[in-house]
Amino acid sequence: EAQVTQNPRYLITVTGKKLTVTCSQNMNHEYMSWYRQDPGLGLRQIYYSMNVEVTDKGDVPEGYKVSRKEKRNFPLILESPSPNQTSLYFCASSEGQSPQETQYFGPGTRLLVL
Amino acid sequence: AQSVSQHNHHVILSEAASLELGCNYSYGGTVNLFWYVQYPGQHLQLLLKYFSGDPLVKGIKGFEAEFIKSKFSFNLRKPSVQWSDTAEYFCAVNRANAGNMLTFGGGTRLMVKP
Repeated sequence: EAQVTQNPRYLITVTGKKLTVTCSQNMNHEYMSWYRQDPGLGLRQIYYSMNVEVTDKGDVPEGYKVSRKEKRNFPLILESPSPNQTSLYFCASSEGQSPQETQYFGPGTRLLVL
Repeated sequence: AQSVSQHNHHVILSEAASLELGCNYSYGGTVNLFWYVQYPGQHLQLLLKYFSGDPLVKGIKGFEAEFIKSKFSFNLRKPSVQWSDTAEYFCAVNRANAGNMLTFGGGTRLMVKP
């Protein structure tokens, strides 16, 4: 089944403790991205990647890092999480970077930073 | 900066009522427009999209949207809602020269009473 998976689905952590949220897609998609969803703000793009070893900042990249060493994986790294990063995070992928490509979203990761 | 506005944050309807959710964007150039739906506990799914051509776009589950360029709007409609349409709805805009990057509105929570 074609899908985007994220792990973990739920995470509670404390300020400053490094964490990684994994994202994996099995559709051989080139384009992957991370969004955060906050009430009243919709989804905002954090980082995106057009292919292996090619990443770039989205609208709200501060406090986040990403890497794209393999085509299928696009982990999101919070080196020193802070409470304002408490949010619902979605990974998405699409075949290419054309807007005509449908983006497939993962199930979300709910993060609470204490 | 490009922004997307959904003025209705919460909408409550009875089954069989008609639905119209507003979406306005501020970018003046060529855009691609999307509506996504997020059912409770699930990930985002694409409802419909507009790139060019007929400004009235039909999507899945009986939804449609109309692009009115002069009003910078892309309102979502459904003639008769069902209880199963209870979800959060997001309008999203992509600039024609911005790759696959989507800018989302803040979302509208729809509750349909049986």
